Amino acid sequence: DAMVIQNPRYQVTQFGKPVTLSCSQTLNHNVMYWYQQKSSQAPKLLFHYYDKDFNNEADTPDNFQSRRPNTSFCFLDIRSPGLGDAAMYLCATSRDLGGETQYFGPGTRLLVL
Amino acid sequence: AQSVTQPDIHITVSEGASLELRCNYSYGATPYLFWYVQSPGQGLQLLLKYFSGDTLVQGIKGFEAEFKRSQSSFNLRKPSVHWSDAAEYFCAVGASDFGNEKLTFGTGTRLTIIP
Repeated sequence: DAMVIQNPRYQVTQFGKPVTLSCSQTLNHNVMYWYQQKSSQAPKLLFHYYDKDFNNEADTPDNFQSRRPNTSFCFLDIRSPGLGDAAMYLCATSRDLGGETQYFGPGTRLLVL
Repeated sequence: AQSVTQPDIHITVSEGASLELRCNYSYGATPYLFWYVQSPGQGLQLLLKYFSGDTLVQGIKGFEAEFKRSQSSFNLRKPSVHWSDAAEYFCAVGASDFGNEKLTFGTGTRLTIIP
């Protein structure tokens, strides 16, 4: 089945130690998104890629970076995680922009010690 | 900019009873509207969506939603809930204007089912 895959499902890192979260998709969608979701809150969009074009949300901290080496993969890099970065990170894809349906992966829960 | 309000943070319903979850949106043009469900520790699953046309939309798992432009609402309904429906439900509005193509989520409604 076509899907959005996130690895790992759980990630523990130390305060200040860089961490990378991975997302892959078999849907061949043009757009890939990264959301941060803290406990009992709505998902918050960090950034998205339309093909190779990177679009950062205005309030996304510089500590968060992303890479999309090809259509299928997208990475979220947190350069120096703080305790406040502990959250669920959700990857999503859509065929196009403009309100197209987004398909979500299962998420990676990040714990910062 | 678009916004979504889900006025009910938490709803408790008896198994077999009917359900309505409220969603109000704000957006200048015709919106794209979505309902997603999230089980604990999981990603979001699309229940249904409204793009245009018939204002009553059928989704998966027996859910439906009705778009009411005059009330800026997109409420989710189910005639008879099952224990497996216990989850967090998010309403979202998709913008279509160039440079603002993204989903904005409401803060969610947690649904608890009691026997």
